[in-house]
Amino acid sequence: NAGVTQTPKFRILKIGQSMTLQCTQDMNHNYMYWYRQDPGMGLKLIYYSVGAGITDKGEVPNGYNVSRSTTEDFPLRLELAAPSQTSVYFCASSYMERNSPLHFGNGTRLTVT
Amino acid sequence: AQTVTQSQPEMSVQEAETVTLSCTYDTSESDYYLFWYKQPPSRQMILVIRQEAYKQQNATENRFSVNFQKAAKSFSLKISDSQLGDAAMYFCAYRSDSGTYKYIFGTGTRLKVLA
Repeated sequence: NAGVTQTPKFRILKIGQSMTLQCTQDMNHNYMYWYRQDPGMGLKLIYYSVGAGITDKGEVPNGYNVSRSTTEDFPLRLELAAPSQTSVYFCASSYMERNSPLHFGNGTRLTVT
Repeated sequence: AQTVTQSQPEMSVQEAETVTLSCTYDTSESDYYLFWYKQPPSRQMILVIRQEAYKQQNATENRFSVNFQKAAKSFSLKISDSQLGDAAMYFCAYRSDSGTYKYIFGTGTRLKVLA
């Protein structure tokens, strides 16, 4: 199993540009998540999904959109990138069992200038 | 809303010694799950250990163990016989059992291991 795969690993955007961060998992996990990690701030939840066709906002959803058309894929869309969105982004997934841990991708480092 | 607090931004330990990382949380729930994750410089997030709140016995995984004090809402991680490879950021995380499916993370503790 590849686990959780995120692309790209690094990206530099100009202010106002848009992009999609890709995330796919091959573990048949129902639940998928997008987090952002800022220095000294831990991980903040952006969006999450409990299954195909179902998404919900986390703590910091503004400026982002998601979709979940399949169990495997959970892309994160940034519209009109802003410097405040400079961060490391992690996609994660888990089984629906209550004690299931998160399985993380390797992250995307995004810089908006 | 639940919160997770890691009050030690940075800790240091001599190689082969023992170190304890602190984590406290705030919740009104009786059932929940707690996790410790390790993030080395590679940025990868690695599960270290997990604890179910309904279990009184503290979880252990080789050199890693927890001290779970439910009444005090404390979940500390003890690393025994510290190794250079243990140097990393460590995050404490809480998962509700109420069906919200969300994991809440602390701000992390950076562990340095001194040779």
